[in-house]
This record gives sequence, structure tokens and C-alpha cells, in this order.
Amino acid sequence: KQEVTQIPAALSVPEGENLVLNCSFTDSAIYNLQWFRQDPGKGLTSLLLIQSSQREQTSGRLNASLDKSSGRSTLYIAASQPGDSATYLCAVRRTAGGGNKLTFGTGTQLKVEL
Amino acid sequence: DAGVIQSPRHEVTEMGQEVTLRCKPISGHNSLFWYRQTMMRGLELLIYFNNNVPIDDSGMPEDRFSAKMPNASFSTLKIQPSEPRDSAVYFCASNPGQPMNTEAFFGQGTRLTVV
Repeated sequence: KQEVTQIPAALSVPEGENLVLNCSFTDSAIYNLQWFRQDPGKGLTSLLLIQSSQREQTSGRLNASLDKSSGRSTLYIAASQPGDSATYLCAVRRTAGGGNKLTFGTGTQLKVEL
Repeated sequence: DAGVIQSPRHEVTEMGQEVTLRCKPISGHNSLFWYRQTMMRGLELLIYFNNNVPIDDSGMPEDRFSAKMPNASFSTLKIQPSEPRDSAVYFCASNPGQPMNTEAFFGQGTRLTVV
């Protein structure tokens, strides 16, 4: 059974700091990995999708890396802003034999302070 | 496209009542997912459909839960009878299904409170 863990569970940083969120998964037979953002009381917004054959993906100040063999992904946020405050979730999609479903991590709650 | 649309946004009901949650996936998406989110357990997949057919319902907690997808543009998740421990946020998501290397898109969720 796939298990996805995110560390740290919570993080508070001053504005402008670069930060790294970690995601690890136990079964490396994944198709892709997706990072989401969730604001309080809201749904999930997709940030980045990284395929199993890729090493990284970038979107603006966000960069996600993937090391499938070691079961790890990181989300790098450059020059953090208060508007980045949210819960960040990673989710993995298993290979085709496992069905088209996402297994989520428990999330990292980020607070960026002025 | 308006994205994945869920209704209602909030539902408060008494224990024992039937609750029906609704979802309209993004047009053209062939896969639809129902997730439940709680503080204790995070996001859990309840069931997912591919081309309106349930593929994996192993996450459905009990027989009190049932889900249907009568057509490509509509799905329901029903709880009968509801219990206080069913209180959670229920999310619906969709993606094109194929190819597999595509994003999943989530609705805004239905916050269910059973009192």
C-alpha cells in the first residue's frame, strides 16, 4: 500500500525566505506526482505536475523535483510571500495497473509572516 | 469551463438523515473521484469512476455510503443514514482519464456537518 509522508507538518517563515517542502512515498512505481495548494475552507489548486520520467518542473517561483528511485519529491518556493500561506499537499498516481487514483500526503501548513 | 462544480457547499443535517452530495465534472473528463478530508485522516479516496463505471470503491467506509454516476456530467455521493462521524469535507475531482499523465482538478468541496 502506497504511503505518502510530508515533512514538516507545519512551517513558519519570514517573508522573502526561500523554503523547501518535502514529500516521500513508499512505492516508487508511480506514474506522476502532483503538488497542490489548499487555502482554508477552499478546494485544492493544482500547482505542478511532474511525470515519473522527469526530474523537475518549474512554474514561476515554484520548482518541484522528483527522485523516483528514492521515493522523494521537494517543492521549492523562492522569495516567499504572505500570499503563499496555505497548506501544500503532494499526491502520487500509481502506475496504470494501480488505477487512475491519487494518494495524498498529510500536507505541510505554511505561514509566511511579514 | 467552470471547473468541477459541487453542491451544496455546506450541509448541516441531523443524525439518521439521508444526505446527497452532487458533482459535475469538467466537460470531457472521463474519470471522476470522490475524496473525503478530515483533520485526523487527511484526504482519502472513497471511490472513482472511469467512463461512468465504478472502478475502485475500496475506500467507501461502509454500506451507508453509495455513489452513482448516471452520465458523464453528473455524479452523486449518498450517505444513508448519516452519522456524526461522517462530518468532513467531501471533494469531487476529475481528470481526462487518458492519457494518464494529466492533472486532476478538484471542486470546492462540500462541508458536511452531522449533528
